[in-house]
Amino acid sequence: DTAVSQTPKYLVTQMGNDKSIKCEQNLGHDTMYWYKQDSKKFLKIMFSYNNKELIINETVPNRFSPKSPDKAHLNLHINSLELGDSAVYFCASSRDRVGTGELFFGEGSRLTVL
Amino acid sequence: LAKTTQPISMDSYEGQEVNITCSHNNIATNDYITWYQQFPSQGPRFIIQGYKTKVTNEVASLFIPADRKSSTLSLPRVSLSDTAVYYCLVGDIQKAGGYNKLIFGAGTRLAVHP
Repeated sequence: DTAVSQTPKYLVTQMGNDKSIKCEQNLGHDTMYWYKQDSKKFLKIMFSYNNKELIINETVPNRFSPKSPDKAHLNLHINSLELGDSAVYFCASSRDRVGTGELFFGEGSRLTVL
Repeated sequence: LAKTTQPISMDSYEGQEVNITCSHNNIATNDYITWYQQFPSQGPRFIIQGYKTKVTNEVASLFIPADRKSSTLSLPRVSLSDTAVYYCLVGDIQKAGGYNKLIFGAGTRLAVHP
């Protein structure tokens, strides 16, 4: 079983459309994240949720809306897509307790906005 | 937040030892040093983590000098499959929510040649 799974893996859409990316983790972790990796390979944190509560929002446009129905799921909805939203979006999870600093990443969802 | 500086790229040959150094001059007392590996079209994967001196696991070694202002990831006898981007991160992971402060830099692109 994949520990952190994201769907879809590839997404091609037109500017102005609304799209969602789903993420699920079966590790029993308390915290989940969305990262964005641009064409230059910089990985930037976008959001972090702990037990369904938003704890980090890194100045992401409000067109991006994360939703966590339970602590095993963190979905990302993007409204009015723009060309600059093209990137690979990674979901990740971690134990939110004292312990090893290991983030578990999904395989990424490549979003292309035309 | 501690900022890290790594070489943008490195080249090596199969069977050689590779050392990637990361500078983190403003590392805080409670910060740990963590390295991740990312293959193309995959999410980053945890390699190793340490606080001071030397840490070794089945994949790599991590050398941290006494002042902790830098660290060196050592990959023994690399193979073609070690071609990847390697990220150095520093952050306080010994408290709840500490993982949220882990920031990925640009990473070091390692190319291993036959």
